[in-house]
Amino acid sequence: DTTVKQNPRYKLARVGKPVNLICSQTMNHDTMYWYQKKPNQAPKLLLFYYDKILNREADTFEKFQSSRPNNSFCSLYIGSAGLEYSAMYLCASSRRGNNQAPLFGEGTRLSVL
Amino acid sequence: GQQVKQSSPSLTVQEGGISILNCDYENDMFDYFAWYKKYPDNSPTLLISVRSNVDKREDGRLTVFLNKSGKHFSLHITASQPEDTAVYLCAAGDAGYQNFYFGKGTSLTVIP
Repeated sequence: DTTVKQNPRYKLARVGKPVNLICSQTMNHDTMYWYQKKPNQAPKLLLFYYDKILNREADTFEKFQSSRPNNSFCSLYIGSAGLEYSAMYLCASSRRGNNQAPLFGEGTRLSVL
Repeated sequence: GQQVKQSSPSLTVQEGGISILNCDYENDMFDYFAWYKKYPDNSPTLLISVRSNVDKREDGRLTVFLNKSGKHFSLHITASQPEDTAVYLCAAGDAGYQNFYFGKGTSLTVIP
């Protein structure tokens, strides 16, 4: 299976409530990424795991958390959703040294009301 | 600031012509470059990628040209077809560190 799977495809959340998005891959990729995509904007890198090491971008450091309990699975956690979190969240994975750029899942569309 | 920039938001090409999509990046450490194709409400699909040890890579109708000194790379699509109509995203990163950043995209329209 050469796909990245994201769950759920669509999610509705209330302002102030937590949100947890899930991503998995069975390609034995050592790196897993989370991007936020809003209309007419570039996919924004939020954070990525290389193996067990979490790297978070400076401007989103406090807004998003993540966990990677094993090689195949990675989650994105928002502690308290705000309206500005409404977006498509894209998970991707790659293997360092494979000379292949990250492959994406289908995304989770989050709507915060 | 934005690490990867696509200065042309849109491009229209006649069927059979060459589509040239451009991308600029800021970070000298970037050594890994890629182009993705994206349809509305879909996630990006990888088209072609290249490491900085080459300045050109061909795959069928697609060719990536890399100009490291100018911090610029481009995607050429020959014999453009209406099915090529989509948004094209460029991306660049540091293969050692594994970060990877995207441009906003160029919307390509191929007219029959």
